[in-house]
Amino acid sequence: DAGVIQSPRHEVTEMGQEVTLRCKPISGHDYLFWYRQTMMRGLELLIYFNNNVPIDDSGMPEDRFSAKMPNASFSTLKIQPSEPRDSAVYFCASSPGQIYGYTFGSGTRLTVV
Amino acid sequence: KNQVEQSPQSLIILEGKNCTLQCNYTVSPFSNLRWYKQDTGRGPVSLTIMTFSENTKSNGRYTATLDADTKQSSLHITASQLSDSASYICVVSEGNAGNMLTFGGGTRLMVKP
Repeated sequence: DAGVIQSPRHEVTEMGQEVTLRCKPISGHDYLFWYRQTMMRGLELLIYFNNNVPIDDSGMPEDRFSAKMPNASFSTLKIQPSEPRDSAVYFCASSPGQIYGYTFGSGTRLTVV
Repeated sequence: KNQVEQSPQSLIILEGKNCTLQCNYTVSPFSNLRWYKQDTGRGPVSLTIMTFSENTKSNGRYTATLDADTKQSSLHITASQLSDSASYICVVSEGNAGNMLTFGGGTRLMVKP
């Protein structure tokens, strides 16, 4: 298994532009999570899905952020419009269930200038 | 408020030496505690997962302990290697909140030759 695959690895964009991050979870994992990591705040949960359904999006910072999971093998996190304070590493993770470990992707490093 | 505190924030040791990282938490109700290793520029990788009834769990040179009464955990690294240089993150899962995880700030370990 190739693990959790995220793309792109790096993204540099100008303030105000739309950014779309992509994630392919491990096949058979029912849970998918989007996290954001910064030096100041560490790892923060943005949203998670169970069987493609968003369960908890209370961590999504504001309406500029949206996430979708149209099928079991693909999810997107979109920021529109992007702002410099959105600069961070965004991780996608998947898990087969509550008591199991999470497998994280390699992350997308987003820089908004 | 659920919190996970890790100490020390950073640590430098010589190759071959042992070290112990600490994690204190206030998460309640408790479900499980996980230790992750995060190499620079990579996603976190699970080292151990412990439930309420487990006091210790090993993964190679890594041994995690859990005292659910005092809400403390430790990660002991034996005979450190240069490749152990990474951030180690303690993560606690809430018992009733499904996949709600609380992340510690991490301990940044540097192993020097």
